[in-house]
Amino acid sequence: QVQLVQSGAEVKKPGASVKVSCKASGYSFTGYYINWVRQAPGQGLEWMGWINPHSGSTVFAQSFQGRVAVTRDTSTATVYLEVSRLTSDDTGVYYCARRGERAAIDFWGQGTLVTVSS
Amino acid sequence: DIQMTQSPSSLSASVGDRVTITCRASQTFYNYLNWYQQKPGKAPKLLIYSASSLHIGVPSRFSGSGSGTDFTLTISSLQPEDFATYYCQQSYSTPLTFGGGTKVEIK
Repeated sequence: QVQLVQSGAEVKKPGASVKVSCKASGYSFTGYYINWVRQAPGQGLEWMGWINPHSGSTVFAQSFQGRVAVTRDTSTATVYLEVSRLTSDDTGVYYCARRGERAAIDFWGQGTLVTVSS
Repeated sequence: DIQMTQSPSSLSASVGDRVTITCRASQTFYNYLNWYQQKPGKAPKLLIYSASSLHIGVPSRFSGSGSGTDFTLTISSLQPEDFATYYCQQSYSTPLTFGGGTKVEIK
């Protein structure tokens, strides 16, 4: 079965960077894009961007461009999200999620809580 | 960017009720419209994709309809496990965008 397993919770200071991992299993890793979606505490869902695991190409929402990087390791079927220059506004749960038919997000990781606090 | 507006933002309903949630897009697009359910502390789950196609394992009491700029999610007979927050999302163009959510609470 399709599974996306994310790394554990992180606590970071303002100005630092965080790297979250997402390990895929149960399907052809290079056949499906992976999205990253953020959810601030008590708020809705915000799409950050996606990566094509086959080519490594990425697309980001404008609000994250220049501060976010997404990479992949095809040997381990793992995608990584790195967010730099963290502020308290970056506190939230970060989800990796597979892009399915018609670009719907069909399977989600369990989420990784990132807390930015001095 | 395509803006997605859901209504209502919250509703109270009883088990067995028929519930309808609407989603309006700021511009027209083909049926690249999806619906998700999220329970507290959990990741969202895909319910409906392409406006009206049921995702694997989703009960048939959930249905979606609409086209152009106006879309609807219907729960034909609300069950206890359906109390959650529901989001619409367009996957027609990047950035992908979500509606603000509709919280379905127990009356």
